[in-house]
Amino acid sequence: EDQVTQSPEALRLQEGESSSLNCSYTVSGLRGLFWYRQDPGKGPEFLFTLYSAGEEKEKERLKATLTKKESFLHITAPKPEDSATYLCAVLKNDYKLSFGAGTTVTVRA
Amino acid sequence: GAGVSQSPRYKVAKRGQDVALRCDPISGHVSLFWYQQALGQGPEFLTYFQNEAQLDKSGLPSDRFFAERPEGSVSTLKIQRTQQEDSAVYLCASSRRTEAFFGQGTRLTVV
Repeated sequence: EDQVTQSPEALRLQEGESSSLNCSYTVSGLRGLFWYRQDPGKGPEFLFTLYSAGEEKEKERLKATLTKKESFLHITAPKPEDSATYLCAVLKNDYKLSFGAGTTVTVRA
Repeated sequence: GAGVSQSPRYKVAKRGQDVALRCDPISGHVSLFWYQQALGQGPEFLTYFQNEAQLDKSGLPSDRFFAERPEGSVSTLKIQRTQQEDSAVYLCASSRRTEAFFGQGTRLTVV
């Protein structure tokens, strides 16, 4: 059965303290891996799509990387406004996303 | 519009009541999806439309759940005879290619 597992469940960081979130997956026929950010009471906000192992994408303090079994979301020198739940999802066919449970990041000033 | 719009934002229903949740996708987006998100979990797929055709409804939990998109734009998710286990956030998303863009969601509470 396809599985998407995110770790850790929660991450508390000091402002400026870089860290990484992990998304491991067991999916046959991966068509893409997605990262979303979700703020409390809001819908997921699209961040990145990665399609093949070795691919990297960057946006401000965030960088996503992909291997054949996992993806990492690196947060460099985080600020309090980076506090959110980060969700990863895999696309197995043309349309259906399977999400992990998310990592809740709290950045203290 | 600029983004996916969902209404109402919050809905409280008495057990056994029917509810209807509305989704206005981004203009020009052919694909539309409904997801259900329980507290502390990631969204779970419910159903998928391409234009007005419902191509996949495999995630609908029971026959009390029904979705439609009659003119290929606005979609409605209907839940009949609501139960407490239906309490969740219902998210709508639309896409033109592979990236799906989500609305704010409707938080349904069944009491």
